[in-house]
Amino acid sequence: AQSVAQPEDQVNVAEGNPLTVKCTYSVSGNPYLFWYVQYPNRGLQFLLKYITGDNLVKGSYGFEAEFNKSQTSFHLKKPSALVSDSALYFCAVRDVRTNSGYALNFGKGTSLLVTP
Amino acid sequence: NAGVTQTPKFRVLKTGQSMTLLCAQDMNHEYMYWYRQDPGMGLRLIHYSVGEGTTAKGEVPDGYNVSRLKKQNFLLGLESAAPSQTSVYFCASSMTRVYTEAFFGQGTRLTVV
Repeated sequence: AQSVAQPEDQVNVAEGNPLTVKCTYSVSGNPYLFWYVQYPNRGLQFLLKYITGDNLVKGSYGFEAEFNKSQTSFHLKKPSALVSDSALYFCAVRDVRTNSGYALNFGKGTSLLVTP
Repeated sequence: NAGVTQTPKFRVLKTGQSMTLLCAQDMNHEYMYWYRQDPGMGLRLIHYSVGEGTTAKGEVPDGYNVSRLKKQNFLLGLESAAPSQTSVYFCASSMTRVYTEAFFGQGTRLTVV
């Protein structure tokens, strides 16, 4: 089965500090990994994805993610956090099984709180 | 470009009532999905469709039905609402390539009392 896990329910970081939101995956075959962000009372917005190639993926709003095959991880990072980054972050993996519709399987989400 | 549009945005139902949630996308995507979001559980797949006229069950399909009569629309029905179906419902669509991202609607907050 294709699945991801987000081990932290909440991450707190001070504005200006680097942030990391963790994600580990379990897949058969090549992983297709995604990060989404959800602001209060809004839908999910795509941040970035890993398909193949460079292990460091750059995305929207200054976010990046590091793919580590040996540790089966895909952690989301940002060098300097902003208060406006406070939101709910979801890691997801594409289901590549036949007839799966390539649905996304999501982690439970990590709430990021950036304090001034 | 509207993307994925869901209607309604909010709804309160009484137990046993029925309703239909509408999802419309204008990106000519083949694949469409319905998810529900509950606190601490992430998003769980209810049903999905890989094309007009086709639907399939996801992880939590019980109590829901879907239809995809037109490529751009994906309807989610609750025939007899239960309090356990109180949730936020999201529709999404994507192209048929495994490496493409999915696009989400703004969600429908449903409360069943």
